[in-house]
Amino acid sequence: AQSVTQLGSHVSVSEGALVLLRCNYSSSVPPYLFWYVQYPNQGLQLLLKYTSAATLVKGINGFEAEFKKSETSFHLTKPSAHMSDAAEYFCAVDRDDKIIFGKGTRLHILP
Amino acid sequence: SAVISQKPSRDICQRGTSLTIQCQVDSQVTMMFWYRQQPGQSLTLIATANQGSEATYESGFVIDKFPISRPNLTFSTLTVSNMSPEDSSIYLCSVERDRGYHTEAFFGQGTRLTVV
Repeated sequence: AQSVTQLGSHVSVSEGALVLLRCNYSSSVPPYLFWYVQYPNQGLQLLLKYTSAATLVKGINGFEAEFKKSETSFHLTKPSAHMSDAAEYFCAVDRDDKIIFGKGTRLHILP
Repeated sequence: SAVISQKPSRDICQRGTSLTIQCQVDSQVTMMFWYRQQPGQSLTLIATANQGSEATYESGFVIDKFPISRPNLTFSTLTVSNMSPEDSSIYLCSVERDRGYHTEAFFGQGTRLTVV
């Protein structure tokens, strides 16, 4: 069954530094993959999605993710972290018309 | 996109009681989904609610504990029955839009439930 694994439940980066949040998927066929963000006390918001149209996907707020089939990965990156990026990030996969979420990674931004 | 309204946004309930959460969507959708997010955890799918049929529950969730109604294509309710402190979570309603080759999910703001 398709699923995603997020490496690291907590990631801390300094403001202005590169953000890298890791996500690996398990699937026998190319999946549809998503990154969602949950800001404190708010609902979920879609950051970006991979639908096989392009391997490098650009999302909102300067985030992007690259689908690498050879590594079964869909890591989320942002070149320069901002304090407002502090949030919980969830990698997710579309499985049988249901969205299945990874365990989430809490991103901390250090001043 | 889809606009999803959930009520209540938060509640504090006594153990042994039940709470019904409402989810209203601004347009008709075939399937509505209910998720639970326990403190510090990811989202776990509770059930899928189709209009006109019984909800489909995921492993570990049963209808007696989480009865769901889906009276029409824009509305659903989730009841958390006979609550215990372990039911303290955020409960989220979700709908998905079929993009032809994938689905995209939209979420309500969630209901933060605390059971005391």
